[in-house]
Amino acid sequence: EVHLVESGGGLIQPGGSLRLSCAASGFTFSSYWMHWVRQVPGKGLVWVSRINSDASRTNYADSVKGRFTISRDNGKNTLYLQMNSLRAEDTGVYFCANLQWRANYWGQGTLVTVSS
Amino acid sequence: DIQMTQSPSSLSASVGDRITITCQASQDISKSLDWYQQKPGKAPRLLIYDASTLETGVPSRFSGIGSGTDFTFIINSLQSEDIATYYCQQYNDVPLTFGGGTKVEIK
Repeated sequence: EVHLVESGGGLIQPGGSLRLSCAASGFTFSSYWMHWVRQVPGKGLVWVSRINSDASRTNYADSVKGRFTISRDNGKNTLYLQMNSLRAEDTGVYFCANLQWRANYWGQGTLVTVSS
Repeated sequence: DIQMTQSPSSLSASVGDRITITCQASQDISKSLDWYQQKPGKAPRLLIYDASTLETGVPSRFSGIGSGTDFTFIINSLQSEDIATYYCQQYNDVPLTFGGGTKVEIK
């Protein structure tokens, strides 16, 4: 059975940093691009970032470029999102996901709240 | 960035009705479009990929058509368990972008 379990969310002040983790199991994690998607509760889905299977390529939404860094450790089957210089508009539930069809897996999300 | 305009933002229909949701891309995305279903408190579930291909295990009452800039998602014979919010998402180019969502309710 596939599991994606996010952790690391919480309440953080503007300008602070957080590191999200996503532990994967039940599929060949090292074979897939992995993504982070954000959702403000009650609002829509926003793609944040992706990383390719061997971590040689990354892409970011303009809103987080230069502040967030996606990475992965295929030996630990874990995806990360380092979030620096956090802003109120970064608030939301962060999902890690494999968006590939026939392997489309999502975690349950971890809530990040940026507020003073 | 490719903008995805989804409509309507909400709809109310009866069990057994046929419903349609449209998604328009701001530029040609070929068939690089997914449709997702999201129930409250849950992660999204992929229903349709490549604009019209049903994901494994998805009931056949769900379907999708379109290419280029105009896409349609259809539920034939709406069921009570289909109450959810539906999103289109393009993957033709980064940043990946989602439509604003359509909340489907039972009349």
